[in-house]
Amino acid sequence: QVQLVESGGGLVKPGGSLRLSCAASGFSLSDYYMSWIRQTPGKGLEWISNISRGGKTISYADSVKGRVTISRDNARNSLYLQMNSLRVEDSAIYFCARDVSYSWFDPWGQGTRVTVSS
Amino acid sequence: EIMMTQSPATLSVSPGETATLSCRASQTVYSNLAWYQQKPGQAPRLLIYGASSRATGIPARFSGSGSGTEFTLTISSLQSEDFAVYYCQQYNKWPPYTFGQGTKLEI
Repeated sequence: QVQLVESGGGLVKPGGSLRLSCAASGFSLSDYYMSWIRQTPGKGLEWISNISRGGKTISYADSVKGRVTISRDNARNSLYLQMNSLRVEDSAIYFCARDVSYSWFDPWGQGTRVTVSS
Repeated sequence: EIMMTQSPATLSVSPGETATLSCRASQTVYSNLAWYQQKPGQAPRLLIYGASSRATGIPARFSGSGSGTEFTLTISSLQSEDFAVYYCQQYNKWPPYTFGQGTKLEI
């Protein structure tokens, strides 16, 4: 069964850092691009980053560029998102998703909630 | 950045009826469009890709159409489990991939 499970969310103060993880099972992570997508009540679904199969090609949304770093460990079948200099507006549910041929996303993990608040 | 606009924001339909949801792109995305369903507390689930191809396990009552800038998701013979929020997403030009703001389908 193809499954993605995120972890690492929580409450952090503005300016703080968090590292999100996404564990994949049921498929080989090395065969796919992977993305992080976040969701807020105000902005809806926002794609924030993806990474190529080998990790050499990475893209970021302008809203997070310079503050987040996506990475992967194919041997561990895991995806990561290091988030620094967090802002209140980064508060969201963060999903990892399998990026099918740099196109649609299937499946998605269940999400991990990040709250940035003083 | 390609902007995706969905209409209506909320659609009220009765079980057994047909729902028609719209998605418009700010520039052509050809057929590079996907639809997702999201229920409360759950992740989005892929329904349609390539504007009209159903994802694995998606019932035939879900159909997608359109190309260029105008797209439609049609759900026929609505069942109780279909009441959810639906999102479109373009993947023709990225980064960034962009999503519509969603249509809430309610009873």
